[in-house]
Amino acid sequence: KAGVTQTPRYLIKTRGQQVTLSCSPISGHRSVSWYQQTPGQGLQFLFEYFSETQRNKGNFPGRFSGRQFSNSRSEMNVSTLELGDSALYLCASRNVGYESTDTQYFGPGTRLTVL
Amino acid sequence: GESVGLHLPTLSVQEGDNSIINCAYSNSASDYFIWYKQESGKGPQFIIDIRSNMDKRQGQRVTVLLNKTVKHLSLQIAATQPGDSAVYFCAENIGGGSYIPTFGRGTSLIVHP
Repeated sequence: KAGVTQTPRYLIKTRGQQVTLSCSPISGHRSVSWYQQTPGQGLQFLFEYFSETQRNKGNFPGRFSGRQFSNSRSEMNVSTLELGDSALYLCASRNVGYESTDTQYFGPGTRLTVL
Repeated sequence: GESVGLHLPTLSVQEGDNSIINCAYSNSASDYFIWYKQESGKGPQFIIDIRSNMDKRQGQRVTVLLNKTVKHLSLQIAATQPGDSAVYFCAENIGGGSYIPTFGRGTSLIVHP
């Protein structure tokens, strides 16, 4: 099976712009989670989508949003970009089963730089 | 262990040695713990997990130990190889159907040939 893919891999934007990142989960995985990784804060949970519904949300401002399509592909959007949004954005998918311990598989990430 | 600020703790070992990476977790209600390995330019890769009803779990060359009394997790890598060089993260998750893992800051493992 192909792994989690993310596009684009690298992105440069300027303050005030908005950006959309895309994630394709492993085939059959219906849960997609997004994370932000920075040197200062480490890996932080943004949100999780399951069956096109946001199931959980981390502690990020409303400028960060996402959605999931019927084929489980997901996008996240950041509006009104700030310098502090520069980070590696990671997407992860898992095959949700009866318990919450299904292994989560990460994509390679999108490196966003805000100038 | 966990880092403070921007600098990750670093563990340097010789090829063939055993490595032990430690992690202190924060929430006594966490019931699921995961170790990830992240190589430069890549996303985190699952290594091994353990549930709170266990105190030890073994995989291929890796062992995770869980001490709930002191909220401590460790990852042991046997016969460490240069390819094991990476940043290692622990993550904890509170059960109840949600999956919102909290990640540690990571430890950088450097394996010298």
